[in-house]
Amino acid sequence: KAGVTQTPRYLIKTRGQQVTLSCSPISGHRSVSWYQQTPGQGLQFLFEYFSETQRNKGNFPGRFSGRQFSNSRSEMNVSTLELGDSALYLCASSLAERRTMNTEAFFGQGTRLTVV
Amino acid sequence: AQSVTQLDSQVPVFEEAPVELRCNYSSSVSVYLFWYVQYPNQGLQLLLKYLSGSTLVKGINGFEAEFNKSQTSFHLRKPSVHISDTAEYFCAVSDLIRGNTPLVFGKGTRLSVIA
Repeated sequence: KAGVTQTPRYLIKTRGQQVTLSCSPISGHRSVSWYQQTPGQGLQFLFEYFSETQRNKGNFPGRFSGRQFSNSRSEMNVSTLELGDSALYLCASSLAERRTMNTEAFFGQGTRLTVV
Repeated sequence: AQSVTQLDSQVPVFEEAPVELRCNYSSSVSVYLFWYVQYPNQGLQLLLKYLSGSTLVKGINGFEAEFNKSQTSFHLRKPSVHISDTAEYFCAVSDLIRGNTPLVFGKGTRLSVIA
């Protein structure tokens, strides 16, 4: 069974540009979550999608957005990039429809975004 | 809101020695608890999880953790570490009461195993 796939693995962008990251969940998983990982802040939750609907949102500015498609694949977009957006962006998929069910989250290898 | 505290940011330990990585979470009636490991330039891999039942949970790679509700702790242990255990370890909690809430992670503990 294929794991969570994130593309691209590495990305370099210039301040002010926008970027789109992609995540393909494990087959059958309908929940996809995104996290930003930085040395200073650790792992911070961005948003979660379930069946094409945003179910939870973290405390990030509106420049960060996401969506989920009918095949459960998800994209996140960051507009007007800032130097502080440099981070490892991790995607996780889960089978759980609710947290009271099997809640194991499977993570992809991440996309390393560098803003220069 | 839930929060997770990993008391040690870095833990150096000699090969074949035991190790304990500490994790405390803010109080809640019901939680799910997880430990994840992250190797350099990789995503997170689940080591073990506590959902219910026995408070001693065994995971992969010889790791185990004990859920202590009264102390709101979920410390990770391994009786004898290997060089290959060098990685960053994250404790995470999911709040059952509110349902559909995202995992909240601690800041991580960097385990360095010394030959």
